[in-house]
Amino acid sequence: GAVVSQHPSWVICKSGTSVKIECRSLDFQATTMFWYRQFPKQSLMLMATSNEGSKATYEQGVEKDKFLINHASLTLSTLTVTSAHPEDSSFYICSAGPDSGGAFFGQGTRLTVV
Amino acid sequence: ELKVEQNPLFLSMQEGKNYTIYCNYSTTSDRLYWYRQDPGKSLESLFVLLSNGAVKQEGRLMASLDTKARLSTLHITAAVHDLSATYFCAVESNTGNQFYFGTGTSLTVIP
Repeated sequence: GAVVSQHPSWVICKSGTSVKIECRSLDFQATTMFWYRQFPKQSLMLMATSNEGSKATYEQGVEKDKFLINHASLTLSTLTVTSAHPEDSSFYICSAGPDSGGAFFGQGTRLTVV
Repeated sequence: ELKVEQNPLFLSMQEGKNYTIYCNYSTTSDRLYWYRQDPGKSLESLFVLLSNGAVKQEGRLMASLDTKARLSTLHITAAVHDLSATYFCAVESNTGNQFYFGTGTSLTVIP
């Protein structure tokens, strides 16, 4: 089946620094990718929809200047958490799906901001 | 916005018992998914339900979909400890592969 690879798996960074997370579709092209955030013991919350070659669409309440999304190719989307703070610590998961439908999820990235 | 509600939120059950998790959603959708998540891990796909009346079974888990009632169920038969995890249902919007997740059901199977 289709595979979505996310990198890194976990990262610890200092408050005020920026962190980039990559999401790659390995065996299909994805014009759209999705970024989710999951706090402990909670469900996945959609943050934004990443569109290849155009601006991302952000969900209400998600700061687009803080969570920068770049979808420069049909197989890669990146999420950059800028000026990270402890409240940004969370589990970030990307997903992508082929045109035929469905979604495949990356392994997730656990971000800890200290 | 499509809303997805899952019930119960937490479930503790003894090994060997049966139980059903419910997933209700608010608007029309043709695709419903069930996922399993272990602590600290991403989502593992369990079932994809694509039509009204669809029923799929894998081992001790069986999922069904009633699109008219906007309801899906995940039935657990003769639970074993290895099934302990959090289970999510997710509904795919008809306008694209954007997913809306249920609240999750944290399942603990005790000996």
